[in-house]
Amino acid sequence: EVQLVESGGGLVQPGRSLRLSCAASGFTFDDYAIHWVRQGPGKGLEWVSGISWDSATIGYADSVKGRFTISRDNDKNSVYLQMNSLRAEDTALYYCTKGYCSSTNCYTYFDYWGQGTLVTVSS
Amino acid sequence: QSALTQPASVSESPGQSITISCTGTSSDVGYYNLVSWYQQHPGKAPQLIIYEVNKRPSGVSNHFSGSKSGNTASLTISGLQGEDEADYYCCSYAGSSNLVFGGGTKLAVL
Repeated sequence: EVQLVESGGGLVQPGRSLRLSCAASGFTFDDYAIHWVRQGPGKGLEWVSGISWDSATIGYADSVKGRFTISRDNDKNSVYLQMNSLRAEDTALYYCTKGYCSSTNCYTYFDYWGQGTLVTVSS
Repeated sequence: QSALTQPASVSESPGQSITISCTGTSSDVGYYNLVSWYQQHPGKAPQLIIYEVNKRPSGVSNHFSGSKSGNTASLTISGLQGEDEADYYCCSYAGSSNLVFGGGTKLAVL
C-alpha cells in the first residue's frame, strides 16, 4: 500500500523557517517524482514544488521561489521542503504527492497524496 | 505563473451532463498536452481523474472525460450522480519544471 506521511508542520512566526518531511513507503521510491501541493484554509490547491526521481528536475512556484528548497534522499525514501522567510500567506495544509507516470513522463501528474501537515504562520 | 481560470461553481441535476472549463494561456494549457483534473471531496485528499488532457487512470469511471481546444481545457461529467458532488481542479504543465492549478470549481448535483 502506498503511503506518504508528512511531518514538520506547526505554528511559526513570520520570517522564521520550517522544514517539512515526507516519508514514503509501498512503492519503489526512486522511480517517481514527488511534489508538494498546498491548500490554504477554505482555498484551492496550489502547486508549490516538485522534484524528479533523480533530482535532475526541480521546479518552484513563483510565490515560493528563492525562499523554499526541495530535496530528496532516495536512501531514506524521503523528500524535504525547507521553508525560509515564511509569510502569513504561506499558511496552509501542505500535501506530499507522488508523481504518476504516463507513457511520456513521470513529473506532471499526482496519483497518491498524504494527509497533509498544517503550517500556520502568525505572530 | 497565474492560476488557470475555472468557474467558481456549477450545478446540474442528477443524470444530466456538465462541462467545467479551465482557461490558461499559450504558455501552459495551449502549449502543452499535459493537463490533468482532480476531484476533491470535503475533508479528503484530491484524486486524479484525468491526465494528458483526456486519459483516465485505471479505476476511474468512464463518465469522466476530458478535452482541449486552444487555451481552454474541459472536463465533462456525464450521467451525474450525487457522489460526483465535489470540488474539481485542473492543472497544467507551464514549462521550466513548473505546474499551475486552476482556482477550482464546486459542483453541486441538485
